[in-house]
Amino acid sequence: KAGVTQTPRYLIKTRGQQVTLSCSPISGHRSVSWYQQTPGQGLQFLFEYFSETQRNKGNFPGRFSGRQFSNSRSEMNVSTLELGDSALYLCASSRQTGEYGQETQYFGPGTRLLVL
Amino acid sequence: DAKTTQPPSMDCAEGRAANLPCNHSTISGNEYVYWYRQIHSQGPQYIIHGLKNNETNEMASLIITEDRKSSTLILPHATLRDTAVYYCIVRSYYGGSQGNLIFGKGTKLSVKP
Repeated sequence: KAGVTQTPRYLIKTRGQQVTLSCSPISGHRSVSWYQQTPGQGLQFLFEYFSETQRNKGNFPGRFSGRQFSNSRSEMNVSTLELGDSALYLCASSRQTGEYGQETQYFGPGTRLLVL
Repeated sequence: DAKTTQPPSMDCAEGRAANLPCNHSTISGNEYVYWYRQIHSQGPQYIIHGLKNNETNEMASLIITEDRKSSTLILPHATLRDTAVYYCIVRSYYGGSQGNLIFGKGTKLSVKP
């Protein structure tokens, strides 16, 4: 079974631009979570989507948003990029058979974003 | 904040068992202990998880103390490819924010030849 895929793998943007990152979960997985990893803050939870609905959200500004499609694929968007948004953005998917019950999350390789 | 405490770094000789400790003294009854590892700049890799019984899979063994306040991840025969940062995470079974993975700083394991 193919793992979580993320595109693009690397991205360079300039301050003020916006960016969209894509995540394709493992087949059959309905939950997708996004994380940001920086050297200073480590791995931090951004948000989680389940059945096209945002179920949880971390402590990030509104410039960070996401969505999930009916095929469970997910995108996250960062508007008005700042230098501090340079990070590895990770997507994780899990099976989730219902509203409750947290299944194991499996991570993709990440998208490395550099903001100049 | 992460609910676990891990040593920042450990060394292990190649071929020997690597025993990585984790303290989670405030763990509650519905929380699992998860272990992930991250090899430099790659996405975290799931290793194993458990609730109260010891668990074993093809990658590792997880030993959880009877009071569930600490656990040990055991890599039985460490190889150079096991060099990574290992994260111990306490995670609620239920949904909501409790189900998110909250990563601490982890333990950087260096396997040496």
